[in-house]
Amino acid sequence: SQQGEEDPQALSIQEGENATMNCSYKTSINNLQWYRQNSGRGLVHLILIRSNEREKHSGRLRVTLDTSKKSSSLLITASRAADTASYFCATDAGGGADGLTFGKGTHLIIQP
Amino acid sequence: EAGVVQSPRYKIIEKKQPVAFWCNPISGHNTLYWYRQNLGQGPELLIRYENEEAVDDSQLPKDRFSAERLKGVDSTLKIQPAELGDSAVYLCASSLFRGVETQYFGPGTRLLVL
Repeated sequence: SQQGEEDPQALSIQEGENATMNCSYKTSINNLQWYRQNSGRGLVHLILIRSNEREKHSGRLRVTLDTSKKSSSLLITASRAADTASYFCATDAGGGADGLTFGKGTHLIIQP
Repeated sequence: EAGVVQSPRYKIIEKKQPVAFWCNPISGHNTLYWYRQNLGQGPELLIRYENEEAVDDSQLPKDRFSAERLKGVDSTLKIQPAELGDSAVYLCASSLFRGVETQYFGPGTRLLVL
């Protein structure tokens, strides 16, 4: 079953603009991760935020986590054509002991 | 460092036929996962191995699916017999050991059952 629910399902923006996608989940978590999947390929880990953290940065990525609302957001600044991909949030309730529970993903299209 | 290797990349079979997928995790990674990803969905965990032991196979449809990781390194996932609804991408992932959160995914095997 899917734990996370990404919003929006699809997003199309111009190159150079910022892209924001959101994730909501249902149960308590140990950490939340964001993955990227390019067409026809496996998933690539982008960033991990722990349940006791509120915000984390990595390059052009900014992730926030609000455990009271059971939600997270991923911001990609200064988007590039190469950022076109599907983005998934994944929750880990067991601290790495269990498999990840993924949402349905946001399909991001960056138009040149 | 080589990533997670999966083969074949694509497989087309007729329903009721058997099929097998192979995965070789990153060298030294003790934990191995098999996920299934249906079109337009996120991956869903099928089974998790710690070395050669299957420690979580609650989501594996055991009537037709089986998996093994005999020497605690590479793994095989089998479907016998395949059904139309098994068409999906089968992803393998590995992590260093239990408690390390980041998983590394292979490119997946895209299965089409006709």
